[in-house]
Amino acid sequence: AQKITQTQPGMFVQEKEAVTLDCTYDTSDQSYGLFWYKQPSSGEMIFLIYQGSYDEQNATEGRYSLNFQKARKSANLVISASQLGDSAMYFCAMREGWPSGSARQLTFGSGTQLTVLP
Amino acid sequence: ETGVTQTPRHLVMGMTNKKSLKCEQHLGHNAMYWYKQSAKKPLELMFVYSLEERVENNSVPSRFSPECPNSSHLFLHLHTLQPEDSALYLCASSQVTGYDTDTQYFGPGTRLTVL
Repeated sequence: AQKITQTQPGMFVQEKEAVTLDCTYDTSDQSYGLFWYKQPSSGEMIFLIYQGSYDEQNATEGRYSLNFQKARKSANLVISASQLGDSAMYFCAMREGWPSGSARQLTFGSGTQLTVLP
Repeated sequence: ETGVTQTPRHLVMGMTNKKSLKCEQHLGHNAMYWYKQSAKKPLELMFVYSLEERVENNSVPSRFSPECPNSSHLFLHLHTLQPEDSALYLCASSQVTGYDTDTQYFGPGTRLTVL
């Protein structure tokens, strides 16, 4: 089974509107971390937002917020007031296990291509 | 320089060539990673170095050889590659503390084409 599932290969949103990018995950660990990254056409993977499994409140960073529903194992990214510069590929990723002093890999989803329309 | 840098940004090589990719992080982190991103596939972890010691190798072919001489530098040595090795190679770093988020920060990548 895939550990990270992003079911929307492509999304379109009008400039200044809000958009939600879906992400569901699968893990048997009680402790884990969820990340969202943005990848413009230039290729660089840009960190956007982090949610820990024990965080009681949804994470927010500027126009980005994470709608974390633990029981449903979903961690959707919400972008408010979309801008043309938001057009990019967006990846959801998971780190399983509590930070332990050992480097752990991130497991990535297949991504969602977001296009912001003027 | 800030963040994570990678050189070269683009590389075209023949199957018999030997080349190296370089990654440098200016964030004071203690772990570095190589990822491969092929078209229409999720990112795949290749190697992880923590405190300059390799801690993970995801069954990568021996034609890829990593080197981490210190906590700021990471190399990926390439030899006798195959056309299917053409991909974007991303380097990342993180600060592994045991209590923090271990957020990985990525470089701009090297786009490799094997002819």
